[in-house]
Parts: sequence; C-alpha cells; structure tokens
Amino acid sequence: DAGVTQSPTHLIKTRGQQVTLRCSPKSGHDTVSWYQQALGQGPQFIFQYYEEEERQRGNFPDRFSGHQFPNYSSELNVNALLLGDSALYLCASSLVSGNSYGYTFGSGTRLTVV
Amino acid sequence: SQQGEEDPQALSIQEGENATMNCSYKTSINNLQWYRQNSGRGLVHLILIRSNEREKHSGRLRVTLDTSKKSSSLLITASRAADTASYFCATDSSSGGSYIPTFGRGTSLIVHP
Repeated sequence: DAGVTQSPTHLIKTRGQQVTLRCSPKSGHDTVSWYQQALGQGPQFIFQYYEEEERQRGNFPDRFSGHQFPNYSSELNVNALLLGDSALYLCASSLVSGNSYGYTFGSGTRLTVV
Repeated sequence: SQQGEEDPQALSIQEGENATMNCSYKTSINNLQWYRQNSGRGLVHLILIRSNEREKHSGRLRVTLDTSKKSSSLLITASRAADTASYFCATDSSSGGSYIPTFGRGTSLIVHP
C-alpha cells in the first residue's frame, strides 16, 4: 500500500520563476493538504483540497495556488518565486471525514530559490 | 502563526538516557499529537492524546497532557541513537468542519551512541 508520494524530491529555481510540485495521496484518501517548512521551523499550513476545490487556506499570498485532480492527486504552484520561498514543501493526505490524526505525510520536495 | 511551542529547542543526550520535550499551546484543543521528522524528511505520526486524557503510552513513548496549563510533554525512555530526529507537537485547528494540524517549531534531539 503506497503512502504519499511527492515529486520531485529536490528542485532549484531562479528568483521570479514559477514552480509546480506534485503529490499523490495515500490509497483511499481523498483530501490533500500542503505545508511549507522553512529551515529550522515547523510546517506551516498552506491550503487543503477536497473534491477538486480549495477547502481551507492558511496565511499565504495568492502566488501560492493549487489544484486537485479527479484521481485525488494534487499540484502546488508558486509564481514569481522569492528567495524566501526556499523550503521543504510537504504534502499530507487524509479522509475528509477523518480528524487531524488521520494525516499521512510525504517525504517532501526541497525547493531552493537562487 | 504557530499554535504549539516546543521546549527545549535542542536537546543532546547519551544513549540510554531519557529525553523529555515539552509543548505549550495557546487556545483550547480537541487533540494534541506528536510527530517525528528525520533530517528534513516527512513527518511520522507518533502518538495522539485527546483533551480528556492525561497520559498515554506507546512503547518507549509517554505523553502527558495538562489542559489547565495548556501544555504537553513527550518522554522517550532508554533513548537510542536512532531516536535522533526533530520532534513536533501539533494541535488541531477546527474550521469549517475540517481539522488542520498546527505545528510548533520543534525540538531537535541528538542521541550520542
């Protein structure tokens, strides 16, 4: 039973560029949440997707957008990259009917903006 | 903003010793969870304690919760070098019927062989 899969594992982009990160949820899960974790910090909630719509959003600018596909996989897009966007981006999947302890996290995508 | 705050920020001990990490939070919670993260990788769920529970055990892990003080502690007994990792507490934030784990900054634990 595959867990949460994220791609790519590492990425280097130039300031001002755009990036797309991908996430495949755990089998049986229908909800995907994205977190940003800066070095030495805890994960910060970006947004959550369910039924192909953004269900909740954290305190992140509109440069951060996402998408969920009919197969429940998800993408995180970041436009106009800033140096401060360098971080580990974590995807977590869950069941919409579940509580927060039903979250399964992927290994993350390490984004470096130069 | 981060709901939970772990203390200490870093902890260095010898193998076999016990490691204690604390978490304080600000608002009322339904559940509090502890997660482990190895070297900037994904988060692994360790244990959940509900607001009506005071103590919970799982193997070498012991978690306590004091809702009157809005604090929790994680005790790892007889630590091993493999326990070296960052440990985070997460409180649930309920909005629109969905529970979103909100993480603290974590405690970095180093266990020396």
